[in-house]
Amino acid sequence: NAGVTQTPKFQVLKTGQSMTLQCAQDMNHEYMSWYRQDPGMGLRLIHYSVGAGITDQGEVPNGYNVSRSTTEDFPLRLLSAAPSQTSVYFCASSPHTQSSYNSPLHFGNGTRLTVT
Amino acid sequence: GIQVEQSPPDLILQEGANSTLRCNFSDSVNNLQWFHQNPWGQLINLFYIPSGTKQNGRLSATTVATERYSLLYISSSQTTDSGVYFCAVVPPGGGADGLTFGKGTHLIIQP
Repeated sequence: NAGVTQTPKFQVLKTGQSMTLQCAQDMNHEYMSWYRQDPGMGLRLIHYSVGAGITDQGEVPNGYNVSRSTTEDFPLRLLSAAPSQTSVYFCASSPHTQSSYNSPLHFGNGTRLTVT
Repeated sequence: GIQVEQSPPDLILQEGANSTLRCNFSDSVNNLQWFHQNPWGQLINLFYIPSGTKQNGRLSATTVATERYSLLYISSSQTTDSGVYFCAVVPPGGGADGLTFGKGTHLIIQP
């Protein structure tokens, strides 16, 4: 198993550009999520999905869109990038929702995004 | 929302030393996990431990849910233990279904 795969590893955007961060998992996990990590702030939840066709907002959803058309894929879209979105983005998955019993979260290796 | 505080924020030890990292949380939880972020930025799940004690090699963790804290013990530290250790929780009922993270403990193990 490859686990959780994120692409690209690095990306530089200009303000106003759009892009999609890709995330795929091969563990047949129901739950997938996106976090951003900023210096000194830990990780914060952007969006999550409890299954194909179902998405919901986390703590910091503004400026980001997601969709979940398959169990395996959970892309994160930035429609109009802003310098405040400069961050490291992590995708994560688990067998069941985080409110469920015994559902450890598995992370991808992250995408480092810089918006100039 | 729930508050997660980790201490100490920074810790520098010599190889072979033991350490205890603490995580306090402000409300009851039904999910608590410990993660290690290595110097290359990878996040590794160490423990899923909403209550009780678990051990995995030189690492062990204890969560006392009634007193709202968790401890991560690292024995006989190695340089590969360096990195940031995060505690993350989910409170029961309502809100977004995801982890709330503490700000982490930055551990440096010197040879």
